[in-house]
Amino acid sequence: EVQLVESGGGLVQPGRSLRLSCAASGFSFEDYAMHWVRQAPGKGLEWVSGISWNSASIGYADSVKGRFTISRDNAKNSLYLQMNSLRPEDTALYYCAKTQGESLYSYGQFDYWGQGTLVTVSS
Amino acid sequence: EIVLTQSPGTLSLSPGERATLSCRASQSVSSTYLAWYQQKPGQAPRLLIYGASSRATGIPDRFSGGGSGTDFTLTISRLEPEDFAVYYCQHYGDSSWTFGQGTKVEIK
Repeated sequence: EVQLVESGGGLVQPGRSLRLSCAASGFSFEDYAMHWVRQAPGKGLEWVSGISWNSASIGYADSVKGRFTISRDNAKNSLYLQMNSLRPEDTALYYCAKTQGESLYSYGQFDYWGQGTLVTVSS
Repeated sequence: EIVLTQSPGTLSLSPGERATLSCRASQSVSSTYLAWYQQKPGQAPRLLIYGASSRATGIPDRFSGGGSGTDFTLTISRLEPEDFAVYYCQHYGDSSWTFGQGTKVEIK
């Protein structure tokens, strides 16, 4: 069974940093591109960032480019999101999501999602 | 940047009725990269349809997707109690993944 478990969320002041993690199990993590998608309270879904199986291809939404960094450790079956210079508008539930192939740009849909970790940016 | 507009915002229907949800793209998009998700309160989204019309694993056949170009639809042939939820369309293109704002299907 595919499982994605996010952690690392919490309350943080504007301008500070936070690192999210996603622990994957039940599939061959190293064979799939992975993404982060967020959802502000009561709002819709927003793609944040994605990374190919070998970290060679990485993409970011314009809203987080230059502030967030995605990475992965295939040996640890883990995905990460380093979030710097956080803003109140970054407040959201952050989901880790799996795609259906290794390439970042070959598969558009997310077939498995974690339950999310909540990030609240407030003073 | 492609914008996806879903309509209606809310659909009020009774169990057993047919639901038709619309997703319109601001410019023509590839059907290959058009997907639909269902999200229930307190739950993560679930992939329903990918490639505009292919059902994901385990999705009942009462869910169907169609369309091309700028206009796509998700149809639920006969609503079951568990189908009342929010539905999102999503597109991938030009190294960016975009979601529509969602359609809420509520019990009338």
